[in-house]
Parts: sequence; C-alpha cells; structure tokens
Amino acid sequence: KAGVTQTPRYLIKTRGQQVTLSCSPISGHRSVSWYQQTPGQGLQFLFEYFSETQRNKGNFPGRFSGRQFSNSRSEMNVSTLELGDSALYLCASSRSGVGGEKLFFGSGTQLSVL
Amino acid sequence: QKEVEQDPGPLSVPEGAIVSLNCTYSNSAFQYFMWYRQYSRKGPELLMYTYSSGNKEDGRFTAQVDKSSKYISLFIRDSQPSDSATYLCASEGAYSGAGSYQLTFGKGTKLSVIP
Repeated sequence: KAGVTQTPRYLIKTRGQQVTLSCSPISGHRSVSWYQQTPGQGLQFLFEYFSETQRNKGNFPGRFSGRQFSNSRSEMNVSTLELGDSALYLCASSRSGVGGEKLFFGSGTQLSVL
Repeated sequence: QKEVEQDPGPLSVPEGAIVSLNCTYSNSAFQYFMWYRQYSRKGPELLMYTYSSGNKEDGRFTAQVDKSSKYISLFIRDSQPSDSATYLCASEGAYSGAGSYQLTFGKGTKLSVIP
C-alpha cells in the first residue's frame, strides 16, 4: 500500500514569491492535515481537510491556505513568502480525522526562502 | 506553557543501553498518546500508539502513560545504532466543533546510539 506522497521534495524560493505544495494521501484516507516543522518551534498544525472542507485551522496567518480535491489529494499555498517560512512542510493522512485515529506522514517538502 | 513538553536532548547512549524518553502534557482531556520516530530529512513515522493509561510493548519498545501525573514515556531496550533518530511524543490536541482533531507534538528528543 503506497504511503503519503508529497511533491516536490525540495523548493527554493525568494521573498515575496508564492509556492504550492502537493500531497496525495494513502488510498482510502479522506482526512489530510498539514504541519510546519522548524527547529525552533517543532511541529505545528496548519490545517485539516476532510471531503474538500477545511474543518480545523491552526494559528497561522492568512498567507497560508489550502484546499482538497474530490480524490482527497490536497494542496497548500503560501503567498508572499517570508524568510521565516523556511521549514519542512509535512502532510499527514488518516481515514476520517476523528479522535484516536492513527496519522501517517509523508516525507515532507523542504522549503527554503532566500 | 506548551500543551506537550519534551526535553530536546540531545541524548547519546552506547549501543545496548536502555533508553528512556519522556514527555509531560497539561491537558487532562487527552486520551490518545503516540510516539513518532523521525529520521533526518524524513517525515515522522508512527512508532507506538496508546489509549489512556498503561503500558504497551512492541519488540524492544515500551510506551507508558501515567494519566495521574500526565507523564508519557518511551523505553527502548538493547538500543541499536539504527535507533538514532529524533523521537516525538504527541497527544490529541484541540478538538474543533466540526469534528476533527489535531495532534499536539513535543519538540522531539534527538537520540544517538553509539556503536
């Protein structure tokens, strides 16, 4: 069974640009969550999607947005990039995203903002 | 105060040692507790999953939850160089009205097992 797939693996952007990251969940999983990981803050929750609807959102500015398609694939977008957005962006999937479900992560997209 | 606190280490042990990794949490409503292992440049991999208090054993790994003291532990017996990674504890976090939940993670402990 294929795992969570994230593309691209690495990205280098400059300040002010925007970026789109992609995530394909495990087959049959309908909940997709996004996390940002930095050395200083650790893993922080961005948002969660289920059936194309955002159900939960973390404490990030509106420059961070996402969407989910009917096949459960998800994208996240960061507009007007700042240096502090440099991080590993992780996508995770689960069957329905309810309490107690196991969460499976992809390998992440390493974003560097210059 | 973060909802899940974890000593970042780093922790360095000789091969064969018993490793003890610990976290504390503040939200008494947490019911599910996980340990993830993350190798360099990889995503976190679910290692252990525990519901409520008690112990769970899987091979060389034992997860322990003490809800009375809000303490989460992971023990690794006969540690191997391949166990060198960052270990993250996690608990279910804020529960939104829409029915979903998010995990709250500790910052992770970097473990090195020296041959």
